[in-house]
Amino acid sequence: DVKVTQSSRYLVKRTGEKVFLECVQDMDHENMFWYRQDPGLGLRLIYFSYDVKMKEKGDIPEGYSVSREKKERFSLILESASTNQTSMYLCASSFGQSINGYTFGSGTRLTVV
Amino acid sequence: QKEVEQDPGPLSVPEGAIVSLNCTYSNSAFQYFMWYRQYSRKGPELLMYTYSSGNKEDGRFTAQVDKSSKYISLFIRDSQPSDSATYLCAMSGYSSASKIIFGSGTRLSIRP
Repeated sequence: DVKVTQSSRYLVKRTGEKVFLECVQDMDHENMFWYRQDPGLGLRLIYFSYDVKMKEKGDIPEGYSVSREKKERFSLILESASTNQTSMYLCASSFGQSINGYTFGSGTRLTVV
Repeated sequence: QKEVEQDPGPLSVPEGAIVSLNCTYSNSAFQYFMWYRQYSRKGPELLMYTYSSGNKEDGRFTAQVDKSSKYISLFIRDSQPSDSATYLCAMSGYSSASKIIFGSGTRLSIRP
């Protein structure tokens, strides 16, 4: 069964900490995405990548960075965590055109205290 | 104005009822229309997709697109408690570089 795996289901971090969220896919997909999901705001795109070592800003990149050193792995980095970054973070991957749809991971619920 | 608007609900209906979920959008360039289902504590999963206007049926689910009105719908017949989830509409353009734009989701609850 094809999968997008996010390393942690629940994470609690302190304000100011550097936080790494890891995502691995086993489908050889070239496209990978990071979203955050908040009640009433839906899915908001943070960063995406169409190839190894390539990254593009999404709609809300401030306070985040990403790394894609290998095709299967896409990491989201919170440089200095803040309480307004408390959210559900979802990683997704896809191949080809968007009609193929995205495969999502189960999400990481991050709480910043 | 958001590109995609979706009523957040919650929507609660009795088992066996027909459910209608809807989205409106503003971008005429959208060509592909999708519905994702998200169970609690899970990521969204692709339920159905359609291209341009028309209807598409898959079992108890029917997706409908009206491009002239910029309005899409998902109908669920003979709804089951297992259909209880959040449903997100999504759409994108034709270009290979087009990203998928998601609605904010409608929470649906089917009462036994």
